[in-house]
Amino acid sequence: KQEVTQIPAALSVPEGENLVLNCSFTDSAIYNLQWFRQDPGKGLTSLLLIQSSQREQTSGRLNASLDKSSGRSTLYIAASQPGDSATYLCAVSSNTGKLIFGQGTTLQVKP
Amino acid sequence: NAGVTQTPKFRVLKTGQSMTLLCAQDMNHEYMYWYRQDPGMGLRLIHYSVGEGTTAKGEVPDGYNVSRLKKQNFLLGLESAAPSQTSVYFCASRKLSYNEQFFGPGTRLTVL
Repeated sequence: KQEVTQIPAALSVPEGENLVLNCSFTDSAIYNLQWFRQDPGKGLTSLLLIQSSQREQTSGRLNASLDKSSGRSTLYIAASQPGDSATYLCAVSSNTGKLIFGQGTTLQVKP
Repeated sequence: NAGVTQTPKFRVLKTGQSMTLLCAQDMNHEYMYWYRQDPGMGLRLIHYSVGEGTTAKGEVPDGYNVSRLKKQNFLLGLESAAPSQTSVYFCASRKLSYNEQFFGPGTRLTVL
């Protein structure tokens, strides 16, 4: 059974720092991996999707990498801003399309 | 485009009452999903649909029923609500050809 783990559960950094959020999964037979952002009391916003054949995806200050063989993905946030404060969720998908979510990392960026 | 919308945003029920949550999407997506999000448990799949008229069970389907009579709508029903169904419910959709899911804003349900 696929399990997804995100470490750390919470992270607090000063504004301007570069940071890395980690996601690991137990079954490497994934179809793709998706990173989401969730603001308090809100829905999920898709940030990046990495297909299983890809190594990384970039969008603005965000860069996500994928290493299927080791069962790991990282989300790199450059030059963090207070507006980046949110919970970040990773989810892996099998070829049936079902998503298995990690429990998220709650990020606080202090001004 | 409104994307994925959910109705209602909030609801309080008493144990044993019934209700239906509505999810609508205007992106012509084939696949639709219902998840629940609970503290310490993350998001878990309740039911999903791969097209109009079809539904399937997810990870935690007990106590819920679903219907997909129209492609753009996916309904989640609670026939006899229980306190264990207190949660935030999210609907999502995606195209058949591309596995990126788009989420609605959620419905916060409290069962007393």
